[in-house]
Amino acid sequence: DGGITQSPKYLFRKEGQNVTLSCEQNLNHDAMYWYRQDPGQGLRLIYYSQIVNDFQKGDIAEGYSVSREKKESFPLTVTSAQKNPTAFYLCASRQTGNNQPQHFGDGTRLSIL
Amino acid sequence: SQQGEEDPQALSIQEGENATMNCSYKTSINNLQWYRQNSGRGLVHLILIRSNEREKHSGRLRVTLDTSKKSSSLLITASRAADTASYFCATADGGYQKVTFGIGTKLQVIP
Repeated sequence: DGGITQSPKYLFRKEGQNVTLSCEQNLNHDAMYWYRQDPGQGLRLIYYSQIVNDFQKGDIAEGYSVSREKKESFPLTVTSAQKNPTAFYLCASRQTGNNQPQHFGDGTRLSIL
Repeated sequence: SQQGEEDPQALSIQEGENATMNCSYKTSINNLQWYRQNSGRGLVHLILIRSNEREKHSGRLRVTLDTSKKSSSLLITASRAADTASYFCATADGGYQKVTFGIGTKLQVIP
């Protein structure tokens, strides 16, 4: 089945530690996105990528980094500079071009130990 | 920044009733999309309406778009307990292909 796979489903981070969230898609989509979801605040865009080896900051990029070395993969690193990383992280992809919807993974819930 | 603002933030109805959710946005858009999210899961795309369309139907869903008022509504007819979820509107600008989400409406359908 085509889709987006996020792993792990649950992740725990110690203070001062970097962690990387995985996002893989087999939909052959060019564009990929990372969102953060906090209770009562909806989804906020962290980073997005329209094509391999290119990505742009979203609205809340500070404390996060990404790479896009392969079309199917868009990992997100939550660095120690992100002071409040506890949240639900969602990865999405879409075909480029107008009027194309996003397809989402099932998310990774990150907590601080 | 949040582009869409859903209203109401929470809605509780009896099974069989209709549910209406509204979304307002601030800037010009290419299209407006509605998504559904079950608790602890990813979002699922429901329907997309282009900026030059006024109404669109898909099964029990009806979406309207009023670009002069910068608003949209999602109507779910004959609701079922399985419709219980959060519903989000999202807008896409034509420039950078960014999609921006609102804070959502939490719908509870009571059997």
